[in-house]
Amino acid sequence: DGGITQSPKYLFRKEGQNVTLSCEQNLNHDAMYWYRQDPGQGLRLIYYSQIVNDFQKGDIAEGYSVSREKKESFPLTVTSAQKNPTAFYLCASSYVHQETQYFGPGTRLLVL
Amino acid sequence: QKEVEQNSGPLSVPEGAIASLNCTYSDRGSQSFFWYRQYSGKSPELIMSIYSNGDKEDGRFTAQLNKASQYVSLLIRDSQPSDSATYLCAVPFLDSNYQLIWGAGTKLIIKP
Repeated sequence: DGGITQSPKYLFRKEGQNVTLSCEQNLNHDAMYWYRQDPGQGLRLIYYSQIVNDFQKGDIAEGYSVSREKKESFPLTVTSAQKNPTAFYLCASSYVHQETQYFGPGTRLLVL
Repeated sequence: QKEVEQNSGPLSVPEGAIASLNCTYSDRGSQSFFWYRQYSGKSPELIMSIYSNGDKEDGRFTAQLNKASQYVSLLIRDSQPSDSATYLCAVPFLDSNYQLIWGAGTKLIIKP
């Protein structure tokens, strides 16, 4: 079964802690994306990657970091510099940039 | 400024009626347009994409595009309670390297 998986489903972060959200896809898509969704708002782009070992900042990259060492994987680290991390985090992928994006199930991050 | 505007709703429609969802966008250069459905607590799923002016039909769903007016709409015929969700409009913006810009979504409620 082809698809996008994200883990964990829920994640709790303590003050000053870095946490990493996992995103894996087996759709053979080149492009991958991380979005943040806050209640009542549209999705906002954090980072995207069009090919392995390359990625670009989105509109709200501050306090986040990513890596793209493998085509299938695009993990997101929420660093301690992100002062308001509570949100629903969505990973997506597409064959190429500009084309239809498909989403994973999401990770809900909460601050303790 | 990158803007995709949607009426936040909620839009309440009787079961069996036609639901009409609207979206306006600010980038005259945009060439493709996407409608996603998002159930509460879940990730967005693609409903329709449209690239040319006019109507595109897929089952009970019809997307309508008017590039001159910078307006795209989604019609849902024979509305069912299972259509109750938030509907997100997304548009890739030319001046943002075709980054998808998302509306905040319209919450649709189908009343039995």
